[in-house]
Amino acid sequence: NAGVTQTPKFRVLKTGQSMTLLCAQDMNHEYMYWYRQDPGMGLRLIHYSVGEGTTAKGEVPDGYNVSRLKKQNFLLGLESAAPSQTSVYFCASSPNRYSNQPQHFGDGTRLSIL
Amino acid sequence: DAKTTQPPSMDCAEGRAANLPCNHSTISGNEYVYWYRQIHSQGPQYIIHGLKNNETNEMASLIITEDRKSSTLILPHATLRDTAVYYCIVRGRGDPTDSWGKLQFGAGTQVVVTP
Repeated sequence: NAGVTQTPKFRVLKTGQSMTLLCAQDMNHEYMYWYRQDPGMGLRLIHYSVGEGTTAKGEVPDGYNVSRLKKQNFLLGLESAAPSQTSVYFCASSPNRYSNQPQHFGDGTRLSIL
Repeated sequence: DAKTTQPPSMDCAEGRAANLPCNHSTISGNEYVYWYRQIHSQGPQYIIHGLKNNETNEMASLIITEDRKSSTLILPHATLRDTAVYYCIVRGRGDPTDSWGKLQFGAGTQVVVTP
């Protein structure tokens, strides 16, 4: 059971570099989410998607872009990485907001910006 | 505003039952109670959820009081691998103010299982 898979698991970037984090789910879920978690803090929503071809901003969207070209994939992009974006990034998916079924999370991507 | 209140930490002996309390006194009729845990450096793991009836699965049991203002997660036989931060979350299904389906993670309870 793959569930939600995130790649890469670790990455170190220099300030100003760009990169894309990939999230893939095999549960045919409509909703997908990107969160970040900083030390000692809870998860904060960056962007989310309610279906293929749609994206929307969450609580902390600045400096990030996302795309959902295929239902099973949700990409998070950093165009010009900054040290403040050093964090652990989690992707999650859920059927839709009308379902009581839970969100399922990936194991995270640990990103360091030097 | 936090919808749930949990103790910051608790210890449990290996092999014993761990009972994790959660207060959600402002819960509304269509809100479910979800429990997740996060083992160090891993993604949040779903454990169990319920509306008003007690629930049991292979991981845990969830006991919800009759007035639904509090609940208890029970890990029947704690192991060292159950050491984690446990989160109690309330969320409504189809809540019109919740267009994201976003989960509100609070501080949770740090559970340490000792040999």
